[in-house]
Formats: sequence, C-alpha cells, structure tokens
Amino acid sequence: KQEVTQIPAALSVPEGENLVLNCSFTDSAIYNLQWFRQDPGKGLTSLLLIQSSQREQTSGRLNASLDKSSGRSTLYIAASQPGDSATYLCAVEWRSQGNLIFGKGTKLSVKP
Amino acid sequence: GAVVSQHPSWVICKSGTSVKIECRSLDFQATTMFWYRQFPKQSLMLMATSNEGSKATYEQGVEKDKFLINHASLTLSTLTVTSAHPEDSSFYICSARAPGGSSYEQYFGPGTRLTVT
Repeated sequence: KQEVTQIPAALSVPEGENLVLNCSFTDSAIYNLQWFRQDPGKGLTSLLLIQSSQREQTSGRLNASLDKSSGRSTLYIAASQPGDSATYLCAVEWRSQGNLIFGKGTKLSVKP
Repeated sequence: GAVVSQHPSWVICKSGTSVKIECRSLDFQATTMFWYRQFPKQSLMLMATSNEGSKATYEQGVEKDKFLINHASLTLSTLTVTSAHPEDSSFYICSARAPGGSSYEQYFGPGTRLTVT
C-alpha cells in the first residue's frame, strides 16, 4: 500500500531557528513529490515540487531534498519566522497524471 | 502561476438537501481535476478523479450516487453532494493539473467548507 508519513506531527521553535521537517514514503517508484503549506481553514499553497529525477529544489529560505532509495524527503526552513507558522504537507504522486497521496502534515509554530 | 477557484467558499445546508460545489481553472485548461476531502485534523483524502468529457473515477468507499461529479468543460468541474447528512460536513478541495515542462504540477483551489445541520 502506498503511504506517506510525516514526523513530527507538531513542532514549536523560536524565531530564527533553522528546522527540518521529515517525510517518508513507501514504494520508491515515485513520479514526483510536493511540499505544501496549509494555513488554518484555508486551501493549499504549493511550496516545492521535486521530480523523481531530481535530488533537491530550493525556493528562498526553503530547501527540499529527495532520496528515493530510502523513501525520504526533507523540507529545510532557514531562519524561521512567525509567518512560517502553518501546517506543512508532503504529498507523493506515484504515476504520471495521477492523484497525490498526502501525509498527515506537520503543524509548525514559530514563536516570536 | 496557475489559479484554481472554488465556489462557494463555505456553505451551510440542512440535512437531506443537496449542495453543488464548483471548481474552475482560471487561466489554463485542465483535462483532469481531482476532488479531495479533509476532515478536521486529518489530511486530504482523494474522493474522485474527474476527466473532461467522461465519467469520474471514484475511490473505494466513496459513493458515486451521493457525490455526483460533472466535468463538462476544460475549465469547470462540479461536485454535488446529494441528500447531505451531518457526517458529510468536511472541507472539500479540488485540484487541477497545469501542464508545464516535463512535470505536471497540481494546483489547488481554496477549498469549500461544508456544514450540514
């Protein structure tokens, strides 16, 4: 069964810290992996998409890595800010043109 | 970037009534749209895949006669919750694929909060 797991479920850090969110997935034959941000009661904002042939993607203070062989992805957030507080979702697509399977998310709280 | 809209953003209805939710791709054509459901403190779960001009494909456990999906054009898919019950109260989110480069990124609508009383 294809599953996505995210740990930790919740994380609280002081402002300015660098942090890492973890995502693991069964079945390494993925098509791509996306990281999303979701604010309370809101939809999803796509942060980074990593294709299966790539090992990492960067956007501003965010860096996502992908290790297919171990079934892991990490989202690195540098110099965290209170505005980064949200739930971060990892999602995997296992075939082209297919749907995404989501993890349960990591709820991040950055304290000023 | 690609934009997907949903309407309404929230709706309250009485048990037994039907509710229609629209999902539109505003600046691109989407041959495939996906409908997800998110219960409180849970992640998104796929309900069905909507293909323009053909019948939707439903995930196991999702009643196709209760959740009617129509994808009549390349920019619009609708989800109708028929005979809604309180257990159908949830956050419904659609997504659409935007072709680009060698990978197809999915763009999500802002979601529709459905409350059935």
